[in-house]
Amino acid sequence: DAMVIQNPRYQVTQFGKPVTLSCSQTLNHNVMYWYQQKSSQAPKLLFHYYDKDFNNEADTPDNFQSRRPNTSFCFLDIRSPGLGDAAMYLCATSLGGVETQYFGPGTRLLVL
Amino acid sequence: GIQVEQSPPDLILQEGANSTLRCNFSDSVNNLQWFHQNPWGQLINLFYIPSGTKQNGRLSATTVATERYSLLYISSSQTTDSGVYFCAVGATQGAQKLVFGQGTRLTINP
Repeated sequence: DAMVIQNPRYQVTQFGKPVTLSCSQTLNHNVMYWYQQKSSQAPKLLFHYYDKDFNNEADTPDNFQSRRPNTSFCFLDIRSPGLGDAAMYLCATSLGGVETQYFGPGTRLLVL
Repeated sequence: GIQVEQSPPDLILQEGANSTLRCNFSDSVNNLQWFHQNPWGQLINLFYIPSGTKQNGRLSATTVATERYSLLYISSSQTTDSGVYFCAVGATQGAQKLVFGQGTRLTINP
């Protein structure tokens, strides 16, 4: 089945230690998104790629970066995680901009 | 930016009951989706419905774009329907970006 895959499902890192979360998709969608969801809150868009074009949200901290080496893969890099970055990170894809977004299972990040 | 409000914030029902969840939004949209977030955190797409009415089994949704609201109906609730239901919209400008409401937490008791 076509799907959005996120690895790992759970990630524990230390304060200030760089961490990378990965997302892959078999849907061949051209748009990929990263959302952050803190406990009991709604998901919040961090950035997205439309094809190779990177679109950063104005309020996304500089500590968060992303890479998309090819259509299928997208990475979220957190350069120096703080305690406030502990959250669920959700990857989503869509075919074109104004279309259904399909979400992966998420990676739950814990910062010690 | 566009504002999205969902009501009620919490809903507790017995198995077999029907429910209606509401989503109000503050601006014109050309993208509206309803999601169910399961206990493990995954967002499951229920409907892509920027306008009109759709049905899928026990679930149906209606969006009245001119009046800026959408409704999600769940009939004959089951315990597996429990979770958080999110409405997310994309404004006419920048429709690629979904803005989520705060969600409705639905609890179905056996």
